[in-house]
Parts: sequence; C-alpha cells; structure tokens
Amino acid sequence: NAGVTQTPKFQVLKTGQSMTLQCAQDMNHNSMYWYRQDPGMGLRLIYYSASEGTTDKGEVPNGYNVSRLNKREFSLRLESAAPSQTSVYFCASTKTGQETEAFFGQGTRLTVV
Amino acid sequence: KQEVTQIPAALSVPEGENLVLNCSFTDSAIYNLQWFRQDPGKGLTSLLLIQSSQREQTSGRLNASLDKSSGRSTLYIAASQPGDSATYLCAVREAAGNKLTFGGGTRVLVKP
Repeated sequence: NAGVTQTPKFQVLKTGQSMTLQCAQDMNHNSMYWYRQDPGMGLRLIYYSASEGTTDKGEVPNGYNVSRLNKREFSLRLESAAPSQTSVYFCASTKTGQETEAFFGQGTRLTVV
Repeated sequence: KQEVTQIPAALSVPEGENLVLNCSFTDSAIYNLQWFRQDPGKGLTSLLLIQSSQREQTSGRLNASLDKSSGRSTLYIAASQPGDSATYLCAVREAAGNKLTFGGGTRVLVKP
C-alpha cells in the first residue's frame, strides 16, 4: 500500500522556470492538499481540493496553480519560479468525516536559484 | 478563518520530565485534531488522532486531550527521553470544507 506518493523528491530550478509537482494517493480519499514548509515554521496551506472537481485557495496561493486531475491525483504548478518559492512541499490526503486521519507524502525539496 | 496556535514555540526539559504541549484553535466546528512529530529534515509522522466526539486518545507514553468548546488540545508525553527531541505539530480539520490547518509547531529538546 503506497499511501501518498510525491514526485520528484528534489528539484533545482532557475528563476523564471516552470515545473509541476505531482501527488497521487491510492486510499480512495476525496480530499487532497498542498503545503509548503519553510525553515523553522509549520506547514502553510497553498491549495486544497475537498473533492474531485473542486479546488480552493489556502493561506499562500500566490504564484501557484493546481489541478485535481482525478480522484487519485492532485498536481501543483509553479508557472514562473521565484527564489521565495524555495521550500519543502508536502502533499496530503484524507476523507471527509472525523474517523480518518490525514496521510502525507515524503515531501519535495525545491530550490530556486 | 481557522487559526491554530502552538505555544511555546520551543521547550527544553531534562530527561525524565513530563512534556506538556499545547494547541489552540479558533473555530470549534472541526472533524478531528491530529498530532504529528517531525524530525529535522524529515517528513511528518502521525502520533495521535482525536475525533471531535472524543475527549482523549492514548498511545504508549503519549496522551492527547481535546476540549472542543474551549478550542484546546494538549499532548502529554510521559517520562521524556532524548529520542523525543523533535518538532511537534498539531493540525485541525474543519467540518466545513474539510480544510486542514496546522499550528506553527513546538520544538522540543530533551536533555540527557
């Protein structure tokens, strides 16, 4: 059981380049999330998708776009990367309801130079 | 807007002392609250999930309580060990929209 899989694990971009971070879950969860974590800080929500076909902004959406491709996959796109987007990115998934915990991917360490 | 706060931001205790970590949230309409551990440079490890209908959860030396009406959760770690040194994060999942919001974390150092 793979859980939540993020690709890539590491990436270095030049300022202005674009890239897409991929996230897939195999637990039949309806909700998926993208976070960034900067040094010494908690996780800040970028975008989330409560269910297939919907996406909503979180705390720090500027400079990012997302696509909920299907129930399994939720991608995060940086159209024109900036050094301020250097961070560790985490994807998560869960179900609606109180019983299910949130599961996280292993993270993507992104450096923009 | 849900706001989740963890105070203190950092905590240092001698080995053997009990740890008390606090998490507060502003909107009590939640599905659940989850506590995580994060080691430096690593991902998140889930410790405990407390459902909104529960008052506490226990796992080994860990005990977490939830008081939804006052918007508070406390994580107790009994008889701390140096291996408990890590950052502890709480996250609240809202009943409206299923949004998952994190606190800023408490960095714990247990000194031998």
